Amino acid sequence: DVKVTQSSRYLVKRTGEKVFLECVQDMDHENMFWYRQDPGLGLRLIYFSYDVKMKEKGDIPEGYSVSREKKERFSLILESASTNQTSMYLCASSLGRGRRQYFGPGTRLTVL
Amino acid sequence: KQEVTQIPAALSVPEGENLVLNCSFTDSAIYNLQWFRQDPGKGLTSLLLIQSSQREQTSGRLNASLDKSSGRSTLYIAASQPGDSATYLCAVGDYKLSFGAGTTVTVRA
Repeated sequence: DVKVTQSSRYLVKRTGEKVFLECVQDMDHENMFWYRQDPGLGLRLIYFSYDVKMKEKGDIPEGYSVSREKKERFSLILESASTNQTSMYLCASSLGRGRRQYFGPGTRLTVL
Repeated sequence: KQEVTQIPAALSVPEGENLVLNCSFTDSAIYNLQWFRQDPGKGLTSLLLIQSSQREQTSGRLNASLDKSSGRSTLYIAASQPGDSATYLCAVGDYKLSFGAGTTVTVRA
């Protein structure tokens, strides 16, 4: 079974802090994704990576950056956290283009 | 831009009844369509993937159909059980998935 893990289930940070969310997959998947999920807005893609050190912006990249130094790990970085970044963050991975996406359990981030 | 709609937003049925969940999309030039399940406060679980060249896909009690020309997919869950209570989401795309808002299902024992 594919396993996607995220570093924290719950995280509380203060405005202006630099925040790192980590995601690890154990199935040698090429592609990795970061989404955020908000009530009334649904799931929205922030960034994705189709190979090590490669990244592409999703629909809402502003205020975020990503890093993929190793194939199994994809990090989401909030350079200076703001209250409007309070959300559920979901990581996913897939074997290739158009293949099933497998999601992690999510990180609920609260920015005070 | 692809728009994905799921109606109804919520559904409540007695145990044993068959479930029919609808998904519609505006751009018929899709790569594939996926159905997911999400339990409260949890991540998404992949249920089925239908490639654009397929008409349907089955897994156990689940059957999903795809009609690209009309921009619709339907997820059927046979003989529903209380454990099927969850939010069901559909999504279309290749790398960048466009998600519907989901249908929240309650199966009453």
